[in-house]
Amino acid sequence: DVKVTQSSRYLVKRTGEKVFLECVQDMDHENMFWYRQDPGLGLRLIYFSYDVKMKEKGDIPEGYSVSREKKERFSLILESASTNQTSMYLCASKTGGLAGDRTDTQYFGPGTRLTVL
Amino acid sequence: GESVGLHLPTLSVQEGDNSIINCAYSNSASDYFIWYKQESGKGPQFIIDIRSNMDKRQGQRVTVLLNKTVKHLSLQIAATQPGDSAVYFCAGWEGGSYIPTFGRGTSLIVHP
Repeated sequence: DVKVTQSSRYLVKRTGEKVFLECVQDMDHENMFWYRQDPGLGLRLIYFSYDVKMKEKGDIPEGYSVSREKKERFSLILESASTNQTSMYLCASKTGGLAGDRTDTQYFGPGTRLTVL
Repeated sequence: GESVGLHLPTLSVQEGDNSIINCAYSNSASDYFIWYKQESGKGPQFIIDIRSNMDKRQGQRVTVLLNKTVKHLSLQIAATQPGDSAVYFCAGWEGGSYIPTFGRGTSLIVHP
């Protein structure tokens, strides 16, 4: 089974702090994604990466950056945390190529609930 | 662009009933769909998928129906159990895209 792990389940940070959220997948997937999930808004894509050192902006990249130095690890960075970044953050991974096959399913991690005070 | 949404935010059913959760999409180029289940405090989990060349797919106690004419898909859960209580949401991909569009979710509440 695919396993996607996230470094923390719960995190509390203060405004202005630099925050690192780590995601690791063990299935050699090319593509990795970071989403945030807020009540009433569903999943919104922050950034994704289709290869090592490659990254693409999603729908809401402002205030975030990412790093993909190794294939299995995709990090989300909040350069200066703000209260409006309090949210559930979900990492996902999938095989390379385009959607359409069962093997292209996105697999999600358990999520990190971040609170910024 | 793609827009995927759900008709009802909350669905309450009795244990043993069948549940139907609906999802509409706007982009006729969408050709692959997934239903996810997300339990409280957990990440979404794959339930079942369907491609646009199919109109029905069955799993264990779940069936997904796709109506391309009206751009609608549904998730049917047979003999709903308390363990089925969760948020369910659909995701759709347009052919050639890495990125899905997610519906906002329906909360299924199963009463014993």
